Amino acid sequence: GAVVSQHPSRVICKSGTSVKIECRSLDFQATTMFWYRQFPKKSLMLMATSNEGSKATYEQGVEKDKFLINHASLTLSTLTVTSAHPEDSSFYICSASRNYDVSGYTFGSGTRLTVV
Amino acid sequence: GIQVEQSPPDLILQEGANSTLRCNFSDSVNNLQWFHQNPWGQLINLFYIPSGTKQNGRLSATTVATERYSLLYISSSQTTDSGVYFCAVGADYKLSFGAGTTVTVRA
Repeated sequence: GAVVSQHPSRVICKSGTSVKIECRSLDFQATTMFWYRQFPKKSLMLMATSNEGSKATYEQGVEKDKFLINHASLTLSTLTVTSAHPEDSSFYICSASRNYDVSGYTFGSGTRLTVV
Repeated sequence: GIQVEQSPPDLILQEGANSTLRCNFSDSVNNLQWFHQNPWGQLINLFYIPSGTKQNGRLSATTVATERYSLLYISSSQTTDSGVYFCAVGADYKLSFGAGTTVTVRA
């Protein structure tokens, strides 16, 4: 159990376009979902926390208007990178927890975004 | 925020060797987890261990919360153990990740 599906796994887009990344909990209801960004050979940086039906809480320094997060249901959260630029190229990872259980987070397989 | 330091940054092992990875953190936490990230980027939760000792097969972990450190032990390492091992800590539901230890196990 506890599977999180993240799509797409890889995406290449042109500078100035928007890209949507989906994160789905397949076999449980995710009360909370987290979005991380990982630079090459670096740690994971938490971007935002989203709870179903409410606005996402962004970490300091993360642009809300550039990284739009929607958690419309208990099984789906989306991250939209708007007006993407080459500096937005990165590995984006989502994770989900059920019932606010902090003892075990399940991670998606990540999305490699390349902006050209 | 909480600072997390992991050591060593890189570790090269011969298959069958044992190793210890360390995680130091700067403040009291009630959430500490160890993760393994495989070469394709997938993160797998290894242990939830805010205190005490746990074992799962060839892996075990110990956290001494009062001294603000945790250790991850890998015994009889296999090539499939290669990847990056992250320690992540938090005082609530949010996790702060260390920089990771990159483990390479050679056949």
